[in-house]
Amino acid sequence: GAGVSQTPSNKVTEKGKYVELRCDPISGHTALYWYRQSLGQGPEFLIYFQGTGAADDSGLPNDRFFAVRPEGSVSTLKIQRTERGDSAVYLCASSLLAGYEQYFGPGTRLTVT
Amino acid sequence: AQKITQTQPGMFVQEKEAVTLDCTYDTSDQSYGLFWYKQPSSGEMIFLIYQGSYDEQNATEGRYSLNFQKARKSANLVISASQLGDSAMYFCAMREAYTGANSKLTFGKGITLSVRP
Repeated sequence: GAGVSQTPSNKVTEKGKYVELRCDPISGHTALYWYRQSLGQGPEFLIYFQGTGAADDSGLPNDRFFAVRPEGSVSTLKIQRTERGDSAVYLCASSLLAGYEQYFGPGTRLTVT
Repeated sequence: AQKITQTQPGMFVQEKEAVTLDCTYDTSDQSYGLFWYKQPSSGEMIFLIYQGSYDEQNATEGRYSLNFQKARKSANLVISASQLGDSAMYFCAMREAYTGANSKLTFGKGITLSVRP
């Protein structure tokens, strides 16, 4: 079956602009996670949804970052007033239930110039 | 203190040989889960193997096995019969709390594995 998909695969934006990154999880997976991976590092947790609600948003670095999952499937990560330090690969993962193994998408590479 | 420590900067292994990738972890929880993921140059994170803290047997999945030593807080990945396609970054990760209540993963910095023909 189809895996986790993320769009766009690459996004280049100017400092100060607003961006949206989309994640389409595996069908039937109730839990959805966003991570950020900087060059040479492991992924860092941002936010986790169980269904439509954010169960844990402790990893969001500041209030410029926001994520939604209005119908419990597709999720959008929104970044306002982008900064060069936001440049990274943003990974989305889903799992059948919270706590089960997470399956990752290919990521969106965000570059802020 | 880092929760997941992967100190090997890069590993090389001859094709068809076995290799061990080290991972130590730090947690005060009694219930937790440990994961290994593979990240090839394409960038996608591929789940390899899982070990629960209460599992008495070491986890195995095909050519992958996890050498779990709870008292030493280590969870090393063993890859047997290495293949050229095993060349990738390997990440160890931990989920604190056995069930889904706290299901985010904390990752180490990763280890680069290169398989030589």
